[in-house]
Amino acid sequence: QVQLVESGGGVVQPGRSLRLSCAASGFTFSTYAMHWVRQAPGKGLEWVALISYDLNKKYYAVSVKGRFTVSRDNSKNTLYLQMNSLGAEDTAVYYCARGVPAAIRGWFDPWGQGTLVTVSS
Amino acid sequence: DIQMTQSPSSVSASVGDRVTITCQASQGISSWLAWYQQKPGKAPKLLIYAASSLQSGVPSRFSGSGSGTDFTLTISSLQPEDFATYYCQQANTFPFTFGPGTKVDIK
Repeated sequence: QVQLVESGGGVVQPGRSLRLSCAASGFTFSTYAMHWVRQAPGKGLEWVALISYDLNKKYYAVSVKGRFTVSRDNSKNTLYLQMNSLGAEDTAVYYCARGVPAAIRGWFDPWGQGTLVTVSS
Repeated sequence: DIQMTQSPSSVSASVGDRVTITCQASQGISSWLAWYQQKPGKAPKLLIYAASSLQSGVPSRFSGSGSGTDFTLTISSLQPEDFATYYCQQANTFPFTFGPGTKVDIK
């Protein structure tokens, strides 16, 4: 079955960096756009970043642009999110989610279980 | 950015009730709209895509309608497992944006 498993979350000091990973299985990873979405504690959902299936297109939320970088390794069926210059406002559960095949506009299905990132000194 | 609003922000309902949640986009998004259900401590689950298409495996008591700026999610007969928070999401323009959510709880 289709499965997404995030890892790499934890507690990090303000200003430091962290890299999240999302291991995909059960589908042809290289044909799907992939997204990161986050949810601060007790808050709603915020889309963070997209990478197209062929790595040619990347889009970011304004709140993370210039600090976060999305990437993927289609040979390893893995999605990444490099997060730099972290601040308290980045504290959230980070979800990876599958987009649509061979396109960038669309919905998210399924989602991983999420990984918690806590930015605190 | 396209702003998404939802109403109501919360609703108390009983099993068997019909529940309607509305979502409005700040500009036209055609049918580029999805609805998600999220239960506490769990990842969101896609219910409806393209405004009115039912995701595979989702019960038929869920339905979606609308286009342009105004959209609706309807649960025709609320079941115990439907108590959750529901979010709309526009996929027309980057950055993709979500509504603030509607919490459906037990009356």
